[in-house]
Amino acid sequence: NAGVTQTPKFQVLKTGQSMTLQCAQDMNHEYMSWYRQDPGMGLRLIHYSVGAGITDQGEVPNGYNVSRSTTEDFPLRLLSAAPSQTSVYFCASSYGIGGYEAFFGQGTRLTVV
Amino acid sequence: GNSVTQMEGPVTLSEEAFLTINCTYTATGYPSLFWYVQYPGEGLQLLLKATKADDKGSNKGFEATYRKETTSFHLEKGSVQVSDSAVYFCALRGSNFGNEKLTFGTGTRLTIIP
Repeated sequence: NAGVTQTPKFQVLKTGQSMTLQCAQDMNHEYMSWYRQDPGMGLRLIHYSVGAGITDQGEVPNGYNVSRSTTEDFPLRLLSAAPSQTSVYFCASSYGIGGYEAFFGQGTRLTVV
Repeated sequence: GNSVTQMEGPVTLSEEAFLTINCTYTATGYPSLFWYVQYPGEGLQLLLKATKADDKGSNKGFEATYRKETTSFHLEKGSVQVSDSAVYFCALRGSNFGNEKLTFGTGTRLTIIP
């Protein structure tokens, strides 16, 4: 059972480059989210989706785009990378809201130079 | 909006010591409360949860009780082991649309020394 799969695990970008972080889940979960983890700041929500075709902004959406064309996939696009986007990115999915457990991917460590 | 405040770390304890990590929250309605754990180089995984007031979540010797009167969900363990060294996150999520985002505290790094 794969769970939540993120690729790549590590990435180095130059300022101004664009890239897409991939996230896929095989649990038929409706809810998917992207977080960034920075020292001393916990996890901050970037974007989330409550189902295919539906996305919304989280706490720190600037500089990031998402789309949800299928239930399984929720890619995160960096439009023009900046050093402030150096972080560890986590994708998560859950069957529902409230008390449903969120399952996390292994993370993508991104460095922008 | 919803928010979670966690005890500042890092916390260093000797093996077999008693652990408490404080967590308080601000939320509308009746959120579910969670503790997640992150081991080095890994993603977060659920440690325990509670979905209504006075519920006690427990797992692997860890416990936390949902206290609505004090808006708290403190994590406790009676005797910690070296393998408990990790970062612990308190989190909450509401049960109605518009309040469904999972909100995390800043995390507490725990180190257990033999």
